[in-house]
Amino acid sequence: QSALTQPASVSGSPGQSITISCTGTSSDVGSYDLVSWYQQHPGKVPKLMIYEDNKRPSGVSNRFSGSKSGNTASLTISGLQAEDEADYYCCSYAGRSTWVFGGGTKLTVL
Amino acid sequence: QVQLVQSGAEVKKPGASVKVTCKASGYTFTGYYMHWVRQAPGQGLEWMGWINPNSGGTNYAQKFQGRVTMTRDTSISTAYMELSRLRSDDTAVYSCARGEGSSWYPGHYWGQGTLVTVSS
Repeated sequence: QSALTQPASVSGSPGQSITISCTGTSSDVGSYDLVSWYQQHPGKVPKLMIYEDNKRPSGVSNRFSGSKSGNTASLTISGLQAEDEADYYCCSYAGRSTWVFGGGTKLTVL
Repeated sequence: QVQLVQSGAEVKKPGASVKVTCKASGYTFTGYYMHWVRQAPGQGLEWMGWINPNSGGTNYAQKFQGRVTMTRDTSISTAYMELSRLRSDDTAVYSCARGEGSSWYPGHYWGQGTLVTVSS
């Protein structure tokens, strides 16, 4: 059960779009439509932003979207805002009743 | 409203055990799986395992097999996570998170986290 691979950091200017990747294997990301994404501000509890690859919970801005191709899932944030600056984590079902998180990506809004 | 309230911070010595509680309210406790996730200082989220509060069935991440035990008391809507043989690298914030949807992904509701410090 190795952690999913995310870039350590990404950055973008207000108004721009950024994409955070989450690479797993054919045993986790590639086998199930069960990737979720979480936003975590410093000292705060993680907030669910995307579930089941591309579904957005009620109350989450439509600037956030999820997608997947093969063993790599992606979170795209459009119209970047200062408040989007946070850590982002992906999570995938990994089979045999287990789940695995990514290492996390720090998003900096320039 | 759904709430998950965890027990307070703990300081333990290496080799000891810690038991963290997660009291649920605002929903039917036995109707939703409960995940346990930890986060070491400055590090990422790490899935530890989950429990089906209805059956008591559990599944743990391989890394914690043999050291972690997840239980529940349905009479008081509380889930427990016990970690034994603590080491300094077990210092982390431990959180419970309710599973959602048909697949029980870690979802919208999280406990506030419990800081466990392991130090001699």
